Amino acid sequence: EAGVTQFPSHSVIEKGQTVTLRCDPISGHDNLYWYRRVMGKEIKFLLHFVKESKQDESGMPNNRFLAERTGGTYSTLKVQPAELEDSGVYFCASSQPENTIYFGEGSWLTVV
Amino acid sequence: AQRVTQPEKLLSVFKGAPVELKCNYSYSGSPELFWYVQYSRQRLQLLLRHISRESIKGFTADLNKGETSFHLKKPFAQEEDSAMYYCALSPHIIQGAQKLVFGQGTRLTINP
Repeated sequence: EAGVTQFPSHSVIEKGQTVTLRCDPISGHDNLYWYRRVMGKEIKFLLHFVKESKQDESGMPNNRFLAERTGGTYSTLKVQPAELEDSGVYFCASSQPENTIYFGEGSWLTVV
Repeated sequence: AQRVTQPEKLLSVFKGAPVELKCNYSYSGSPELFWYVQYSRQRLQLLLRHISRESIKGFTADLNKGETSFHLKKPFAQEEDSAMYYCALSPHIIQGAQKLVFGQGTRLTINP
């Protein structure tokens, strides 16, 4: 069974540019989460989808971040415009209700 | 406020020695507690959760509500235990989902 896959694995962009991160959850998982770890900080929750609906987006840092999950399958997280402090690792995870959360390998974002 | 504290960023022990990774939490209710592990070049994965009371790879963790702790222990460390370990709590479950709050992580190194 394929795990949670994320693309790109690494991205280097200039301040002010746009980056879109993609996550493909495990097939059949209704719950999809985005987390991130910025340098020196703990992994923090960004938001949670149940199918195509945003269940909780309380962790989204500001309106430069936009997450979508059209059709309830894959999800994208867009950062526009990117700032230096957005650099870090963005993790996607998925789960079935009340079951183990499975994480992707992460997308490393560097804003220069 | 929900918080997870892992006081040790780095922990180094010799092979065969006992290991204890400390985790303290603050939460007013009854959270669910987890330990996640990330081996080199691998994705973050669940090691164990307190409700299952399992021993995984020789590791155990006991939830102490009085001390609000969930320390991870192993009696005899092995070199393959070297990894990054994260303690996490889930404050509530909405529609079967878990919103994880992570500690900063402890990098465990087992010396031969």
